[in-house]
Amino acid sequence: ELKVEQNPLFLSMQEGKNYTIYCNYSTTSDRLYWYRQDPGKSLESLFVLLSNGAVKQEGRLMASLDTKARLSTLHITAAVHDLSATYFCAALNEKLTFGTGTRLTIIP
Amino acid sequence: NAGVMQNPRHLVRRRGQEARLRCSPMKGHSHVYWYRQLPEEGLKFMVYLQKENIIDESGMPKERFSAEFPKEGPSILRIQQVVRGDSAAYFCASSQVIGRTDTQYFGPGTRLTVL
Repeated sequence: ELKVEQNPLFLSMQEGKNYTIYCNYSTTSDRLYWYRQDPGKSLESLFVLLSNGAVKQEGRLMASLDTKARLSTLHITAAVHDLSATYFCAALNEKLTFGTGTRLTIIP
Repeated sequence: NAGVMQNPRHLVRRRGQEARLRCSPMKGHSHVYWYRQLPEEGLKFMVYLQKENIIDESGMPKERFSAEFPKEGPSILRIQQVVRGDSAAYFCASSQVIGRTDTQYFGPGTRLTVL
């Protein structure tokens, strides 16, 4: 059974700082997703990573995938308040399995 | 092109009542997925349906829960005799073609509160 673990679960950052969220998954996965969820809202798709070494960037967010290590990272550069949200990774193998989420709070 | 639509957005039921949650997939999408999100947790897969077929219901509780996706109309997640532990946000997602590897698009969710 595919298991997905994220860390940290909670993260408070100052504006302007950099940080990385880690996502480990336990078995082979077809693809890896990153989603953002604002309180009381649905999930917004951020990135889909398809192959080993894949790197995608959008604004201050960059996601990467290492299929050999079964690890994906979401790197935040020069954080701004608008990035405060909960971020989920999800791995696909027969079905989509979500991590527990990382609640990110950006402090002015 | 409208996104995935769910209704109601908020639903309050008393213990023992029935809850019906509806999901209309994006236009052209024939695959529907239901997920449950408990407070402070990630989403948990419940069921995967195509029109008139249940493909994978491995995440559905064995009792009280059922899902359908008829030839016409929205997909329905039905919870009979609700209990407090059923309080959660229920999200529906849809995909276009080959469900297993196609990107899923999520609806806004239905937040169920059981009193």
